[in-house]
Amino acid sequence: GAGVSQSPSNKVTEKGKDVELRCDPISGHTALYWYRQSLGQGLEFLIYFQGNSAPDKSGLPSDRFSAERTGGSVSTLTIQRTQQEDSAVYLCASSLADYNEQFFGPGTRLTVL
Amino acid sequence: GDSVTQMEGPVTLSEEAFLTINCTYTATGYPSLFWYVQYPGEGLQLLLKATKADDKGSNKGFEATYRKETTSFHLEKGSVQVSDSAVYFCALRVGGTSYGKLTFGQGTILTVHP
Repeated sequence: GAGVSQSPSNKVTEKGKDVELRCDPISGHTALYWYRQSLGQGLEFLIYFQGNSAPDKSGLPSDRFSAERTGGSVSTLTIQRTQQEDSAVYLCASSLADYNEQFFGPGTRLTVL
Repeated sequence: GDSVTQMEGPVTLSEEAFLTINCTYTATGYPSLFWYVQYPGEGLQLLLKATKADDKGSNKGFEATYRKETTSFHLEKGSVQVSDSAVYFCALRVGGTSYGKLTFGQGTILTVHP
């Protein structure tokens, strides 16, 4: 069956531009997570959505980062006024519910010039 | 806060060698522990897990035992193969307001030569 998909796979942008990263979770999965994988910080949690509950945004590094999940399915991570330190691989994962195995997408590699 | 510390790499081994990748953790409450693997060009995959003290997770010849007394979850394999070359991440999950959130270690790059 289809796994978690993310688009684009690669994104190169200029400092100061806004970017949107998309995640399509596995159908029927109610929980969705965004993580960031960077050389300096390793793999870190950004934000978590579960059903219709308010998201846990505790991992977002600054107010330039935001995310939404429409219709309990597709999620978009938006980074405004990108900085060079935002360069990383952004990973999305979904799970059937809390405490179930998380399935990861292939990631979006963001490069900010 | 919760954290995971794992053995720094890279680790380079010959085929059929014994593998240990150390992982220790700090957590409030009683975490579940995981090992994830990222093969070249692929996404993160769950390798094994343990949800309570003294549990042993195993998969594909890899094993790890949840040691509460030493707050450790070391990954072992008796005989590695070239196909095991990948990045390995130790992770924990603690319940609370963010039930699914994973906290990862820095990752260990493993290269196995024929």
